[in-house]
Amino acid sequence: SYELTQPNSVSVALGQTARLTCGGHDIAAKSVQWYHQRPGQAPVLVMHTNDKRPSGVPERLSGTNSGNTATLTISGAQVGDEGDFYCQVWDIYTSSVIFGGGTKLSVL
Amino acid sequence: EVQLLESGGGLVQPGGSLRLSCVASGFTFSTYTMSWVRQAPGKGLEWVSSISGSGSFTYGADSVKGRFSISRDNSNNTLYLQMDSLRADDTAVYYCAKRCVGSCSHFENWGQGTLVAVSS
Repeated sequence: SYELTQPNSVSVALGQTARLTCGGHDIAAKSVQWYHQRPGQAPVLVMHTNDKRPSGVPERLSGTNSGNTATLTISGAQVGDEGDFYCQVWDIYTSSVIFGGGTKLSVL
Repeated sequence: EVQLLESGGGLVQPGGSLRLSCVASGFTFSTYTMSWVRQAPGKGLEWVSSISGSGSFTYGADSVKGRFSISRDNSNNTLYLQMDSLRADDTAVYYCAKRCVGSCSHFENWGQGTLVAVSS
């Protein structure tokens, strides 16, 4: 079955740029979504279809997808960006939704 | 405003059953594929099952096939998850999620979740 690989944790200094990666075989052929989950809260969609921001998501979040890696870039990191980020794809071959294991973002 | 309100969670013994409900409002419920996603304590997100807008098509993770059944009542804007033969590793917060419409696969909206604990 298809697998998505995310680093367990990423740290970034306040105001700097964080890059969260999501690895998968030929992931560029798939549409990648990203969700942000703060402690004790439900996930929130922050990026879909690789690089599309839902209404209300700031422009300092951007997405790319190429080769075997999709990336969510957070510019000017803020304390409110802390939490867990999950990537997600649809695997057409197994008709399954696949989530990555999640990355915990810490803003120092 | 889209709202998804889950209910039905609780403590159940191994081998027992539980039915979760999700009442939706703020959108045309029958138009959207709906899903259940769960999260075990301290763990990541795991997709459980999805159902098409009409209810004609259902999809489920291998981990719940044969034990969980997804259904919907479009007249009452309600999504269900019937969970049978529950195991300890089914313990999780269960989220109801609204999928985008069209050739896309992202979850636009999520409920706040309902906790299912399987323990003797």
